[in-house]
Amino acid sequence: GENVEQHPSTLSVQEGDSAVIKCTYSDSASNYFPWYKQELGKRPQLIIDIRSNVGEKKDQRIAVTLNKTAKHFSLHITETQPEDSAVYFCAARNQAGTALIFGKGTTLSVSS
Amino acid sequence: GAGVSQSPSNKVTEKGKDVELRCDPISGHTALYWYRQSLGQGLEFLIYFQGNSAPDKSGLPSDRFSAERTGGSVSTLTIQRTQQEDSAVYLCASSPRDGSNEKLFFGSGTQLSVL
Repeated sequence: GENVEQHPSTLSVQEGDSAVIKCTYSDSASNYFPWYKQELGKRPQLIIDIRSNVGEKKDQRIAVTLNKTAKHFSLHITETQPEDSAVYFCAARNQAGTALIFGKGTTLSVSS
Repeated sequence: GAGVSQSPSNKVTEKGKDVELRCDPISGHTALYWYRQSLGQGLEFLIYFQGNSAPDKSGLPSDRFSAERTGGSVSTLTIQRTQQEDSAVYLCASSPRDGSNEKLFFGSGTQLSVL
């Protein structure tokens, strides 16, 4: 089945810096790659997603890139703010085209 | 316009007891997922239901875990003979899975503590 690896597990940046989180997936047939943000004590929420027919997608300060050949995708956050502090999860749809498999998460801390 | 509802929000049980966790998805959502989140850990996939298709049970960690979804709506996750390692937050999520909309809407979870 699908396996998603995510790194780093923790990331600390200064306010205004950029943050990059990387994920790799195992199933070359995977075609959907969302990113979820989970603030402390809250439920995960979708922040951006990308499908395999595009290489990059942007939404204000957030962007996701996809390299299908290398089977990896990344989340880029520019001009980080303290409210960006949270756990970020990448995910990929599994081999059966059904369940969404998540990485283990990256705890991002933005200090002002 | 209610979101995904899970009950109970907290459950404390003794080792060896059975527990049932309930999930009420958003009305009309055909996809329903169960995930487990241990302290400081990721979202571990357990089981997935999509419409009337056979569920994807590939994430269930042992035969002590089972789930059902009645009438394509409410789902119950059952853990038999609970063990201390079952302690975690159990999250349910639903999704429209219609065309290009695959966004998961999560419930607030059930915190399970096995003593």
